[in-house]
Amino acid sequence: GAGVSQSPSNKVTEKGKDVELRCDPISGHTALYWYRQSLGQGLEFLIYFQGNSAPDKSGLPSDRFSAERTGGSVSTLTIQRTQQEDSAVYLCASSLSGISTDTQYFGPGTRLTVL
Amino acid sequence: SQELEQSPQSLIVQEGKNLTINCTSSKTLYGLYWYKQKYGEGLIFLMMLQKGGEEKSHEKITAKLDEKKQQSSLHITASQPSHAGIYLCGADGGGSNYKLTFGKGTLLTVNP
Repeated sequence: GAGVSQSPSNKVTEKGKDVELRCDPISGHTALYWYRQSLGQGLEFLIYFQGNSAPDKSGLPSDRFSAERTGGSVSTLTIQRTQQEDSAVYLCASSLSGISTDTQYFGPGTRLTVL
Repeated sequence: SQELEQSPQSLIVQEGKNLTINCTSSKTLYGLYWYKQKYGEGLIFLMMLQKGGEEKSHEKITAKLDEKKQQSSLHITASQPSHAGIYLCGADGGGSNYKLTFGKGTLLTVNP
């Protein structure tokens, strides 16, 4: 079956602009995660959605970052007033449920470059 | 917070050789995941280990979780160029802690 898909695959933007990154999880997966992978920082957790529960936003680095998940499926990560340090690969993952030890399957990522 | 240290950071082997990558945790491991990543691509799930002493194999890749559940090893037998990539170990915090913490990765190069 189809895996996690993300769009766009690459995004180049100018400092100060807003960007939106999209994630389509695996059908039937109720949990959705966003991670960021950058040089020097490795892979770090950003935000988590599970069903209709309030999202866990504890990993968001600043209030310029926000995310929403509509209809329990597609998610959008928005970065406002982008900065050069936001340049990274943004990875989305989904799992069947949100319990620990439930395998997270990752999308191909969106490579964001802020000039 | 949990930290995962991977070793070596990078590895170059000749095709056909065996190799081992290690992942050591600062805390007890509950769910330990191995992923592989190629440049420009997402993470490909390889295996998940939960129980101390557990060992899983897929094709020529074997992963183990030690009895004390603070270290895991990934062993590749008779490496091939298709094994090249970045290997990442990730761990969840157990219980309701679903967030994955990752090691920095091991870059594997397999020379034909």
